[in-house]
Amino acid sequence: DAKTTQPTSMDCAEGRAANLPCNHSTISGNEYVYWYRQIHSQGPQYIIHGLKNNETNEMASLIITEDRKSSTLILPHATLRDTAVYYCIVSRDSTGNQFYFGTGTSLTVIP
Amino acid sequence: EPEVTQTPSHQVTQMGQEVILRCVPISNHLYFYWYRQILGQKVEFLVSFYNNEISEKSEIFDDQFSVERPDGSNFTLKIRSTKLEDSAMYFCASSRTGGADYYGYTFGSGTRLTVV
Repeated sequence: DAKTTQPTSMDCAEGRAANLPCNHSTISGNEYVYWYRQIHSQGPQYIIHGLKNNETNEMASLIITEDRKSSTLILPHATLRDTAVYYCIVSRDSTGNQFYFGTGTSLTVIP
Repeated sequence: EPEVTQTPSHQVTQMGQEVILRCVPISNHLYFYWYRQILGQKVEFLVSFYNNEISEKSEIFDDQFSVERPDGSNFTLKIRSTKLEDSAMYFCASSRTGGADYYGYTFGSGTRLTVV
């Protein structure tokens, strides 16, 4: 599976949009981009995933560049409860497939 | 909202003892997983399970580990002879399927295993 690179940490003001970047320059054609987050020591929580097109759900938006070598997760109105470690994972969309969690981006939402 | 339930939340065991971690996946999910996270480190894949057999496993998942779905609702991880380095948070996860109908894995809140 392709490797991803994320900034170690970011801050965001409460109520503002949080934009979390991820580089995945070696992504292959059948690999999806997934985003999960981990709040404190809880289990990781699924946020969103995509292949080529931009995606939006009730939690976030995912913007994937045309060459698919990078993506950005957008939390439109960050709250204090969004403080967490955010993981960008690239993997084949295959059931039973393992995910490789990197070190992620530690997002701190500041009041 | 449906949840993956893990019990116990915290288990302390002596080195060399067998331990069984229990998970109740979401009822209509078909794929089951165990991950672990040593304190301060990354979340690591252990094993995936589908149709009563292991689909994929990592190098961590050696002969000391086994998984079972004994009764159609529980999904267990057994460590036969625990070592100090098995101390970690163990997360169970389940998913309905992949493809266009994908809603991601749902993780449980974890079992913190402490080997003394």
